[in-house]
Amino acid sequence: AQKITQTQPGMFVQEKEAVTLDCTYDTSDQSYGLFWYKQPSSGEMIFLIYQGSYDEQNATEGRYSLNFQKARKSANLVISASQLGDSAMYFCAPQGAGGGADGLTFGKGTHLIIQP
Amino acid sequence: DVKVTQSSRYLVKRTGEKVFLECVQDMDHENMFWYRQDPGLGLRLIYFSYDVKMKEKGDIPEGYSVSREKKERFSLILESASTNQTSMYLCASSPTPGQGGDTIYFGEGSWLTVV
Repeated sequence: AQKITQTQPGMFVQEKEAVTLDCTYDTSDQSYGLFWYKQPSSGEMIFLIYQGSYDEQNATEGRYSLNFQKARKSANLVISASQLGDSAMYFCAPQGAGGGADGLTFGKGTHLIIQP
Repeated sequence: DVKVTQSSRYLVKRTGEKVFLECVQDMDHENMFWYRQDPGLGLRLIYFSYDVKMKEKGDIPEGYSVSREKKERFSLILESASTNQTSMYLCASSPTPGQGGDTIYFGEGSWLTVV
């Protein structure tokens, strides 16, 4: 089973500052991916960004980027210029070589609160 | 856009009742999943299905069953609801199994309270 560690249960950040959310994982798969999801208080899980283990460039998607360090098995999410609407739970989830068929194993999440 | 719809957003049921949570996806995805989410425990996989009439146990299947009679619909069944099944339940779907990157799409969640 994969083990995922998100070391920050909660974070308070000033609006417009950049935020880094930590995620480390433990997998024996040679080929894998790493997802980040956002969950606002409404409950829906929103896909943010994906990084494949063989991708040479760090993934970026608008204000979201991944700081992917494969050797350290670390894939931190960076949110630039944070906004009040970024307040939510954030989950990282590695995906093994089986692709999406087996579901994702999620970390316990980081509760991010953006303050005005 | 992918749409995963959970039929009930909020439910209150009595202990011992049989509970059905319904989920429908409109993107012809092969794979469907049921998770439960509890504070401090994150999301945990209950059951998943990779084809009609197929089902696989996830990490916490005890006390639950599932039904997938049609490709677009995946039902979670609590045969005899108990208070420890009070939780938020999330349905999800993803496309054909393949290499990594098969994004899993989630519904809005169903908040179940068992009293």
